[in-house]
Amino acid sequence: DAKTTQPNSMESNEEEPVHLPCNHSTISGTDYIHWYRQLPSQGPEYVIHGLTSNVNNRMASLAIAEDRKSSTLILHRATLRDAAVYYCILRGSNTGNQFYFGTGTSLTVIP
Amino acid sequence: GAVVSQHPSWVICKSGTSVKIECRSLDFQATTMFWYRQFPKQSLMLMATSNEGSKATYEQGVEKDKFLINHASLTLSTLTVTSAHPEDSSFYICSARDLKTGPEKLFFGSGTQLSVL
Repeated sequence: DAKTTQPNSMESNEEEPVHLPCNHSTISGTDYIHWYRQLPSQGPEYVIHGLTSNVNNRMASLAIAEDRKSSTLILHRATLRDAAVYYCILRGSNTGNQFYFGTGTSLTVIP
Repeated sequence: GAVVSQHPSWVICKSGTSVKIECRSLDFQATTMFWYRQFPKQSLMLMATSNEGSKATYEQGVEKDKFLINHASLTLSTLTVTSAHPEDSSFYICSARDLKTGPEKLFFGSGTQLSVL
């Protein structure tokens, strides 16, 4: 399964934008890029996903590099409730569409 | 949005006993459910893929005789930890796909904290 690399931790001030990077240099052409986040003592929740084009939804934006070897999750205005571990995951049809979680980035939001 | 209910939220048991964890999709049908375990301050590790009406597919290194998975209906999968030992203490999380939304999203339960004494 293709692997992702993320910084272990990041900090952001409340109400400022946050850019969470993810490297996936071994991504294949059919791999989707997914982002999930996990709050303490809870199951993960879906944030956003994309294939080639940048994506926006009510939670965040996903910027995908032209060569698809990296992507960035953008939280436009961080709130205290956004403090969580953010996981960047590659999902491919050749791996049964399963989700293998990497180490993730622990985001701390400073009031 | 789709809701996955996991029960119990936490369980404490004695070493050598078996524990069953239930995972239900409340408002959608799920042909495929996934079971993960998570140790403190670590990431989620996929244990097995549960398919309705057929045998589960286990990840390498996961003992299928120890972690029994049953997916008898489109809305229920169960994980039984047999003869639990302290090293089985972990946070177990299930997830499911909604047939209608396809493979793009996984919906996760709130997890079960298992403590084996």
